[in-house]
Amino acid sequence: EVQLLESGGGLVQPGESLTLSCAASGFTFSDYAMSWVRQAPGKGLEWVSSIRATDGGTYYADAVKGRFAISRDKSKNTLSLQMNSLKAGDTAVYYCARADSSGWYEFFHWGQGTPVTVSS
Amino acid sequence: QSALTQPASVSGSPGQSITISCTGSSIDVGTYDLVSWYQQHPGKAPKLMIYEVTKRPSGASNRFSGSKSGNTASLTISGLQAEDEADYYCCSFARSNTLLFGGGTKLTVL
Repeated sequence: EVQLLESGGGLVQPGESLTLSCAASGFTFSDYAMSWVRQAPGKGLEWVSSIRATDGGTYYADAVKGRFAISRDKSKNTLSLQMNSLKAGDTAVYYCARADSSGWYEFFHWGQGTPVTVSS
Repeated sequence: QSALTQPASVSGSPGQSITISCTGSSIDVGTYDLVSWYQQHPGKAPKLMIYEVTKRPSGASNRFSGSKSGNTASLTISGLQAEDEADYYCCSFARSNTLLFGGGTKLTVL
């Protein structure tokens, strides 16, 4: 069974940094693209970033480009999101999601999310 | 990166069929057959219902189907059931290697 468990969320002040982690199990982690999707309180889903399985190529939404960095540790089956220069608008539940084997564009499996609050 | 356009809400009675539209443009929905649909119940993680416009993943009910015409994709739910009441989001691959979500549609089963 595919399992994705996010951690690392919390309350931070504007301008600070935070690193989210997603522990993956139940599948061969290195074979699948992974992504982060967020949802602000009472709002819709927003794609944040993705990392390809094959060559580790990365993609970012304009709203986070230059501030966030996605990475994966295949030895630990862990996906990470380093978030710098955080803003109030980054407040959201952050979901880790796994693609299918053929691409990175769809999210076949989701974690339960970890909340991030950016406030002074 | 503008979000895709969905109706804020739709409703239907048990047993009926409903359709949710998702309108994009020539740089996303209109060009790529990479539209997916997600169901989200309150307080829960989203669940994939349709991918690549028309395909259903294992575990998704066959009452859910997808289609696309021009810049608009659609999700149809037939034989509406109380458990279908949820928020639904479309998502499309877009030029410049980005992904766009719709604003979401709240489905009410009357």
